[in-house]
Amino acid sequence: DTEVTQTPKHLVMGMTNKKSLKCEQHMGHRAMYWYKQKAKKPPELMFVYSYEKLSINESVPSRFSPECPNSSLLNLHLHALQPEDSALYLCASSQQGFSNQPQHFGDGTRLSIL
Amino acid sequence: QKEVEQDPGPLSVPEGAIVSLNCTYSNSAFQYFMWYRQYSRKGPELLMYTYSSGNKEDGRFTAQVDKSSKYISLFIRDSQPSDSATYLCAMSDSGGSNYKLTFGKGTLLTVNP
Repeated sequence: DTEVTQTPKHLVMGMTNKKSLKCEQHMGHRAMYWYKQKAKKPPELMFVYSYEKLSINESVPSRFSPECPNSSLLNLHLHALQPEDSALYLCASSQQGFSNQPQHFGDGTRLSIL
Repeated sequence: QKEVEQDPGPLSVPEGAIVSLNCTYSNSAFQYFMWYRQYSRKGPELLMYTYSSGNKEDGRFTAQVDKSSKYISLFIRDSQPSDSATYLCAMSDSGGSNYKLTFGKGTLLTVNP
């Protein structure tokens, strides 16, 4: 079992729906990340939170809205998504937000947009 | 030229074989090197984490970094069917606050019983 927990594991939603993905870690890590992964591709960075503040937004469309309520929790709010947004959404965490620290991933939420 | 090149395979080997997985890179600023294993429908799992040149061994796994050639390898000894997965190399620079990992495309490995 991973130490980064993501819920739900699967999500199917229509293009007009609003839903949220949740990520939780209890390793005391202060940096948390959202990635998007398409089939047979490596993960692509979307957002980085460091000490609960948004540090990086990789030019992600506004239909994706991240939130970090506290140091253990990370949410990704979804609204008006497109079929091309169907992918595996991965959460990761690291001790702090430095690139020399390994990131630990959850098992992801598999999202399908109808 | 991509920053990180990794042969996507697929690679198929018999059980017990020694497996060699490789990545080359072009950015000489990369100092930290990671190997992740990703099973189907799971997230990437950190296997090995190494700093700069040298070798690191953990059980059946050995990570090797050759900075002069900009080449990293992961060796799996006595491979098992449970090693069947996609292996991703990842690397980062000297630890500034840019957070970014640069991934290879991943190599799909199948170990046949």
